[in-house]
Amino acid sequence: DAMVIQNPRYQVTQFGKPVTLSCSQTLNHNVMYWYQQKSSQAPKLLFHYYDKDFNNEADTPDNFQSRRPNTSFCFLDIRSPGLGDAAMYLCATSSRTGLDTQYFGPGTRLTVL
Amino acid sequence: EDQVTQSPEALRLQEGESSSLNCSYTVSGLRGLFWYRQDPGKGPEFLFTLYSAGEEKEKERLKATLTKKESFLHITAPKPEDSATYLCAVQDNTDKLIFGTGTRLQVFP
Repeated sequence: DAMVIQNPRYQVTQFGKPVTLSCSQTLNHNVMYWYQQKSSQAPKLLFHYYDKDFNNEADTPDNFQSRRPNTSFCFLDIRSPGLGDAAMYLCATSSRTGLDTQYFGPGTRLTVL
Repeated sequence: EDQVTQSPEALRLQEGESSSLNCSYTVSGLRGLFWYRQDPGKGPEFLFTLYSAGEEKEKERLKATLTKKESFLHITAPKPEDSATYLCAVQDNTDKLIFGTGTRLQVFP
């Protein structure tokens, strides 16, 4: 089945220790998104790629970076995680921007000690 | 500013007790409204997309409707397996999805 895969499902890191989360997709979609979701809150868009074009949200902290080496993979790098960065990180894909549905992966739960 | 408000925040139902979840929105240039289901510790699962006022879509016990100001997710004769958080999101004219904070539904046998 075509799907969005995120690894790892659970990640524990220490305050200030860099961490990388990964997302892969077999849907062959052009657009990939990263969202941050804290407990009982709405998902918050961090950035998205349309093909190789990177689009950063204005309020996304510089501490968050992303890479998309090819169509299938996208990475979220948190350079110096703080306690406030503990959250569920969701990857989503869509065929194109516009009215196309976004399909989400299972998420990575990040804990910062 | 674009905004999505969902109510109630939480809803407890007895199995078989039908009800509705509300999603009201203010958005510049609505391009589409999406409903997702999210189970604890998992990513949102797509349910429906609605594009214009008057549109309705159904899937099993769920029916989504759309007006110019709000959308409803009707749940008919719910079962315990329908327990989840239901998220509403609108797509504005910048193509971004703006999510509400969800309604947490619990269905008891």
